[in-house]
Amino acid sequence: QQQVKQSPQSLIVQKGGISIINCAYENTAFDYFPWYQQFPGKGPALLIAIRPDVSEKKEGRFTISFNKSAKQFSLHIMDSQPGDSATYFCAASPVNFGNEKLTFGTGTRLTIIP
Amino acid sequence: DTAVSQTPKYLVTQMGNDKSIKCEQNLGHDTMYWYKQDSKKFLKIMFSYNNKELIINETVPNRFSPKSPDKAHLNLHINSLELGDSAVYFCASSQDQGFGYEQYFGPGTRLTVT
Repeated sequence: QQQVKQSPQSLIVQKGGISIINCAYENTAFDYFPWYQQFPGKGPALLIAIRPDVSEKKEGRFTISFNKSAKQFSLHIMDSQPGDSATYFCAASPVNFGNEKLTFGTGTRLTIIP
Repeated sequence: DTAVSQTPKYLVTQMGNDKSIKCEQNLGHDTMYWYKQDSKKFLKIMFSYNNKELIINETVPNRFSPKSPDKAHLNLHINSLELGDSAVYFCASSQDQGFGYEQYFGPGTRLTVT
């Protein structure tokens, strides 16, 4: 049972464009929503995370938008660069737990073309 | 300085064999994890350890046995390897359990069972 659904599976964006990756969840107990970035041959690395008490969090060119009522959250990458080409995973964790109960989405392979 | 290291990086073995993967972190973290990433890039937590104590076992077969000799090490031993065990295994660590503690992933061990 996939508790966090991620789309699209792959995404191609031109340099300078906006990359948008979406995730939806069903478990209303989820309370922590991180995004991870993974380059080929490397382990995932935390990119940005949000709690549901805010609707948006921005760090540099990366923004998480969160819609609690729709149980959806998304990652926006502004001014996308070739160095952003990687696989991105959304994740969610239930209240009273942290990393030890993280459920990951299926990943989005992002390619930024010059 | 490598924060989370794993050995070996690649492991090719036959069905029925027993193998181990070692993980070490030099970050002084209390919590360590094992993840499995399958061929479709789906990332799923297997075990969580805090201060050498098992805190999460996500319905992993008994053939998988983690061992934490000290807080800096979490090894994974797999008995009677099966074809379905082929995957990339990631070790990770965080300062503590719970929210707000970033996970640091190792580079992964690609296990191929033939």
